[in-house]
Amino acid sequence: QSALTQPASVSGSPGQSISISCTGTSSDVGSYNLVSWYQQHPGKAPKLMIHEGSKRPSGVSNRFSGSKSGKTASLTISGLQAEDEADYYCCSYAGGSSWVFGGGTKLTVL
Amino acid sequence: QVQLVQSGSELKKPGASVKVSCKASGDTFSSYAMNWVRQAPGQGLEWMGWINTKTGNPTYGQGFTGRFVFFSDTSVSTAYLQISSLKAEDTAVYYCASRDSETDAFDIWGQGTMVTVSS
Repeated sequence: QSALTQPASVSGSPGQSISISCTGTSSDVGSYNLVSWYQQHPGKAPKLMIHEGSKRPSGVSNRFSGSKSGKTASLTISGLQAEDEADYYCCSYAGGSSWVFGGGTKLTVL
Repeated sequence: QVQLVQSGSELKKPGASVKVSCKASGDTFSSYAMNWVRQAPGQGLEWMGWINTKTGNPTYGQGFTGRFVFFSDTSVSTAYLQISSLKAEDTAVYYCASRDSETDAFDIWGQGTMVTVSS
């Protein structure tokens, strides 16, 4: 299966809100409510930020929220902070016990 | 607190094989859905597949059949990724990640193992 489509980069100023889109197909994002989002700082392992489209794991700031409409999922970060600068990846179940990641989005906090 | 600790960096020549280990602590290893994720230098995450550590049954993603093998040893709570006939394009960081059975998300990650293939 092909990678989910994410914008290569997004940016925002401290305190602002940004959204990152993740577009799939009817075989993955469009068919399952199993989209997750990961934050990755340089040289570090990814960290789970959102699961099942909109649920936050314990310990993740409520500034992070997720949603889905049709074949497109979105991650929104409100009240941007310098520490949010990182790469963000979406991931979706794609059927047949397989998963697919998005290409990743580099978030720059100006 | 569950942790996944991976083996150290590897430098291999083309055509050689490599085995990356991922040791789990703090929970029942036999109930893990252990996934493997590749990240080539400067590139994004790529799902490689997973192994059911209870049954030992592996599932391979597209592009990861043939030279890639997942296996596990419950006696030492360790999952393994073996890559044979290494090529330069296998140079990457390889992560193991446990998938939660309730959320189907990769909630626990190893620290990553850098595999470099160079003559």
